[in-house]
Amino acid sequence: NAGVMQNPRHLVRRRGQEARLRCSPVKGHSHVYWYRQLPEEGLKFMVYLQKENIIDESGMPKERFSAEFPKEGPSILRIQQVVRGDSAAYFCASSPESYGLAGGPDEQFFGPGTRLTVL
Amino acid sequence: AQSVTQLGSHVSVSEGALVLLRCNYSSSVPPYLFWYVQYPNQGLQLLLKYTTGATLVKGINGFEAEFKKSETSFHLTKPSAHMSDAAEYFCAVSRGIEAAGNKLTFGGGTRVLVKP
Repeated sequence: NAGVMQNPRHLVRRRGQEARLRCSPVKGHSHVYWYRQLPEEGLKFMVYLQKENIIDESGMPKERFSAEFPKEGPSILRIQQVVRGDSAAYFCASSPESYGLAGGPDEQFFGPGTRLTVL
Repeated sequence: AQSVTQLGSHVSVSEGALVLLRCNYSSSVPPYLFWYVQYPNQGLQLLLKYTTGATLVKGINGFEAEFKKSETSFHLTKPSAHMSDAAEYFCAVSRGIEAAGNKLTFGGGTRVLVKP
């Protein structure tokens, strides 16, 4: 079984360029979460999506960042006009549902991350 | 709002010694609690989770954690460290409210070094 796939694994951009990060969830998973890990820090929640819907974007910066999870294809995290402070590891996680049939949260399966470096 | 505090950003243990990683949380609602491990340049892997029921939770690789509501703690232990346990460990909490989704709030992480 393929796990969560993220590409590219490493991305270098110059200030002002756009970064597009892709996440293919585990087959059959319809819930996707994006997290950001700044150097020497823990992961911070950014956005939670279901197919074609943004459910919770409370962790997303108000400007330059957007996310989508279309009916077909991977989830995309887009950062416009990148700045040096955007340099971080971006992780995607997927789950089949948000909560399992037995109650309690479904496990989130994490991808290997995309490491963004802004020059 | 929820928060997680992990005491000690770095822990060094000898091979065969007890591993103890501390985690305290704050939550206005009954929490779900998790421990994840991250190996270099990899994503996070779930070690164990507490939802309801038994407060002592056993996970993979010989790890276990105990939920103590009175102390708002969820410390992770392993009786005997192995070299392969060298990694970074993250404690996380999510709200026990289904409508809120299952977004995780992470602690700052604890990097474990295992000495031969």
